Amino acid sequence: ETGVTQSPTHLIKTRGQQVTLRCSSQSGHNTVSWYQQALGQGPQFIFQYYREEENGRGNFPPRFSGLQFPNYSSELNVNALELDDSALYLCASSLGGEEIGTEAFFGQGTRLTVV
Amino acid sequence: QQQVKQSPQSLIVQKGGISIINCAYENTAFDYFPWYQQFPGKGPALLIAIRPDVSEKKEGRFTISFNKSAKQFSLHIRDSQPGDSATYFCATGGSQGNLIFGKGTKLSVKP
Repeated sequence: ETGVTQSPTHLIKTRGQQVTLRCSSQSGHNTVSWYQQALGQGPQFIFQYYREEENGRGNFPPRFSGLQFPNYSSELNVNALELDDSALYLCASSLGGEEIGTEAFFGQGTRLTVV
Repeated sequence: QQQVKQSPQSLIVQKGGISIINCAYENTAFDYFPWYQQFPGKGPALLIAIRPDVSEKKEGRFTISFNKSAKQFSLHIRDSQPGDSATYFCATGGSQGNLIFGKGTKLSVKP
């Protein structure tokens, strides 16, 4: 086990709704990254938070937003859900800043289904 | 745009055989090349990683070979076991401190 926990594990939402996914990072890690993994594909980078600030973003629209809290846990929020948002959402924790490029450990993911 | 090309897409190996998965990258923002193993319904688990100050790294049955000049690295699994059946992803460093993943290789090890 990595020590990275995500909740919920599964979620079904209706198109147009909003969703919040949660992640608790591994002890001692100050960076949380979120990835979207479509079926049969590799994880795609959504954004990254380092010490409560967004410090990197992939090619995802603004309706994907996030937060990182003082204890380094994080939330991913998605507004105006679309059918194509159905995927496994992964949270990864790591040491950031000057420790860039160190190991990233993933949680078990949240399976989001949009109907 | 940074890309990682991974091959083959799928691989079937007999128990005890050698599994080889290859990755090629165009450029990398930081010198760290991990391999992840993912079982159905689970998140990716870090399997082994290499930094290019060495050309090879071994951990048990798993070996990464790295060719910096060719911008290629590969994962070798010797004595493959049915429990190794999973999807394997290589990754390189993105410009924002993120990881850029290949599309994955589904490995099936037959008893």
